[in-house]
Amino acid sequence: NAGVTQTPKFQVLKTGQSMTLQCAQDMNHEYMSWYRQDPGMGLRLIHYSVGAGITDQGEVPNGYNVSRSTTEDFPLRLLSAAPSQTSVYFCASSYSGRGEKLFFGSGTQLSVL
Amino acid sequence: RKEVEQDPGPFNVPEGATVAFNCTYSNSASQSFFWYRQDCRKEPKLLMSVYSSGNEDGRFTAQLNRASQYISLLIRDSKLSDSATYLCVVNIGRASGYALNFGKGTSLLVTP
Repeated sequence: NAGVTQTPKFQVLKTGQSMTLQCAQDMNHEYMSWYRQDPGMGLRLIHYSVGAGITDQGEVPNGYNVSRSTTEDFPLRLLSAAPSQTSVYFCASSYSGRGEKLFFGSGTQLSVL
Repeated sequence: RKEVEQDPGPFNVPEGATVAFNCTYSNSASQSFFWYRQDCRKEPKLLMSVYSSGNEDGRFTAQLNRASQYISLLIRDSKLSDSATYLCVVNIGRASGYALNFGKGTSLLVTP
């Protein structure tokens, strides 16, 4: 079982560049989400989705866009990268999003210069 | 006040020791509670859910105190492999979505 697959594992961007972090799950989970993790800050929710075609903002949505065209995929787009977006990004999914176990991808280390 | 607060540690304990972590949460409407484990540079993984009556999984025991709004994790007979960061997670369970609040984590280092 692949579980939650995130790509790329590492990325370096220049300020102002755009990119998309990919996330796919093969568990038929309705709920998918993106977190960022910064030293001393813990995990913070960026955006989440409770099903195909439905997305909503989390705690720190500014500078990021998402879409959910299929149950399997939930890409995160950085429109114009800023140094403040240097972080480790995790995609996660769960069956319904009502508090059951979250499955995480292996993370993306992003550096914005 | 942060929604979920944990002592960041680090907790340095010798092998075989018993260690306990506490976590406090601010929202009395919180519905479910979890402990996740995160190894260095890895993704978090569910360690155990926390039930109202308390629950045990091998050397790990989790307790919930709703009146005082804290949860705890007790690790008995610590192993070197227990070295990790332990994340307290609280679900508010909003009807319009879902709010999982993560604590910043407590770092545990088990030494020989």
